[in-house]
Amino acid sequence: DAGVIQSPRHEVTEMGQEVTLRCKPISGHDYLFWYRQTMMRGLELLIYFNNNVPIDDSGMPEDRFSAKMPNASFSTLKIQPSEPRDSAVYFCASSLPGGYQHFGDGTRLSIL
Amino acid sequence: GENVEQHPSTLSVQEGDSAVIKCTYSDSASNYFPWYKQELGKGPQLIIDIRSNVGEKKDQRIAVTLNKTAKHFSLHITETQPEDSAVYFCAASSSGGSARQLTFGSGTQLTVLP
Repeated sequence: DAGVIQSPRHEVTEMGQEVTLRCKPISGHDYLFWYRQTMMRGLELLIYFNNNVPIDDSGMPEDRFSAKMPNASFSTLKIQPSEPRDSAVYFCASSLPGGYQHFGDGTRLSIL
Repeated sequence: GENVEQHPSTLSVQEGDSAVIKCTYSDSASNYFPWYKQELGKGPQLIIDIRSNVGEKKDQRIAVTLNKTAKHFSLHITETQPEDSAVYFCAASSSGGSARQLTFGSGTQLTVLP
């Protein structure tokens, strides 16, 4: 079991640039979740998918954020344009129905 | 929506002593309560979870208790070891379906002193 795989592990970019974060869930998991972790707000759920379909995106902070899941083994979280306040660690997690969430090791994003 | 409060924010214990972390939740419909451990540079990893039809669950040195009436649950770690040092998060889920949407507490930095 390779676990949830996220890339890149670190991203540093300038304000205004487009940022794309990637996630490969555990094979066979039907649910995929995107979280953001900051000191001020802790771990926040941004959006989650079931069988590649977005179910709840109420946690997405602004229209600058978008997420897609084109197939069962890949998801992206995109920020365009990026701002310094988007700096955080972004986690992807996956689960079976009714199962616990397995987290990846995150992408540390710094927007200068 | 659900609100989860976690205390203390930091906790230092001597190796071999016990550590207790407490959480309260607001939504009486919450029925699933996991605990995650996060080490530096890593993602949260599940260490134990409990469902609302159970009052206590134990796994070796780790135990969780749940009081539904008072809406609080606690993590107990006995015989602490230096490798237990990490940030611990509680969470609660009131999702009725098969997707467990989690609301996390703010975390507890546990330091086990050798």
